[in-house]
Amino acid sequence: NAGVTQTPKFRVLKTGQSMTLLCAQDMNHEYMYWYRQDPGMGLRLIHYSVGEGTTAKGEVPDGYNVSRLKKQNFLLGLESAAPSQTSVYFCASSRTLTNTGELFFGEGSRLTVL
Amino acid sequence: KQEVTQIPAALSVPEGENLVLNCSFTDSAIYNLQWFRQDPGKGLTSLLLIQSSQREQTSGRLNASLDKSSGRSTLYIAASQPGDSATYLCAVLRDSNYQLIWGAGTKLIIKP
Repeated sequence: NAGVTQTPKFRVLKTGQSMTLLCAQDMNHEYMYWYRQDPGMGLRLIHYSVGEGTTAKGEVPDGYNVSRLKKQNFLLGLESAAPSQTSVYFCASSRTLTNTGELFFGEGSRLTVL
Repeated sequence: KQEVTQIPAALSVPEGENLVLNCSFTDSAIYNLQWFRQDPGKGLTSLLLIQSSQREQTSGRLNASLDKSSGRSTLYIAASQPGDSATYLCAVLRDSNYQLIWGAGTKLIIKP
């Protein structure tokens, strides 16, 4: 029972490079989320999706793009990485929007932008 | 704007002690409040969820309370164990847009 799987777990980029983080869930959840976690701050929502083919902006969407072509996958892209995007990125999924007691997280992807 | 604050940022106590972690929020218009645990290099795991109409929830040695009027929640851990060492985060679900707003967490170390 994999739950939520994120790849890659670690990545180092140079400023201006692009990359994609992949999140996959095997629980048939409708809702998926991308958060970033920075030292001394709470998790901040980047983008989220309420179902296959849909995406929406969260609290800090600038510099990121997302896609949800398949229900089980939610991709987070950085088109031109900046040092300010150095962070730990977490993907999460849930069956409903309000039942956050059933919010499942991946183990995180640590990204460093030099 | 909803803001969530957790104080202290870090706490170290001897094994066996009972302890309380604090969470405060600025806007009482919440749908629920939740406590999570985060282990180093791992994702987050939900511990307790309190609906806005509830006052507390219990699970084993953990008890979480909610006082919406004062904008406060506490997580009580009884008879602490080294395995309780982790970062504990609280988050509130806004009832306006159903987005979670997170505190920065309290890093707890239980000394054997």
